[in-house]
Amino acid sequence: RKEVEQDPGPFNVPEGATVAFNCTYSNSASQSFFWYRQDCRKEPKLLMSVYSSGNEDGRFTAQLNRASQYISLLIRDSKLSDSATYLCVVIKGGSYIPTFGRGTSLIVHP
Amino acid sequence: NAGVTQTPKFRILKIGQSMTLQCAQDMNHNYMYWYRQDPGMGLKLIYYSVGAGITDKGEVPNGYNVSRSTTEDFPLRLELAAPSQTSVYFCASSSQGDTEAFFGQGTRLTVV
Repeated sequence: RKEVEQDPGPFNVPEGATVAFNCTYSNSASQSFFWYRQDCRKEPKLLMSVYSSGNEDGRFTAQLNRASQYISLLIRDSKLSDSATYLCVVIKGGSYIPTFGRGTSLIVHP
Repeated sequence: NAGVTQTPKFRILKIGQSMTLQCAQDMNHNYMYWYRQDPGMGLKLIYYSVGAGITDKGEVPNGYNVSRSTTEDFPLRLELAAPSQTSVYFCASSSQGDTEAFFGQGTRLTVV
């Protein structure tokens, strides 16, 4: 089983839609969690950290479920500019090594 | 702040040639990483460093070498390039190791 798994998609949604991505991780010692965004032919950039109690940043909501070992990202009111690949990142406690999922592709169409 | 700077942005190598990918950061970060990303795939860790003078192998280190003589610089050396090393290479740095990682713009390498 891969350390971090994501559905590669693509998720093809109309503008204004709500879309959710999940990411599962295999190591129960994982302690830090993030969502990164990567535009085509660009470097990954941090979208948001994921906290145990869940957190929101505008239209984006991230949640962590430690018992089931997954994190989620919810995007409300999708914009054309949200089209990108969303990478799930997990760091095992004490390792200081970000481990990346393969990413989920989102395409928002008019 | 320049952040993380990678050079070159593009390079074509012939099989068997060698080259060094440069990476420099100006944020005084201790943690630095080299990843490669193949089409449609996630980032795979090649090497990492937790501070000057300390480096360690990641998931896919074969065919590569690194050094970390200063906090700022973390060059990646490719010896005897092979077609399997055709990829996009990203350098990243992090202040605490478990906080946000900042990436360079990447180096697109083709080995022919």
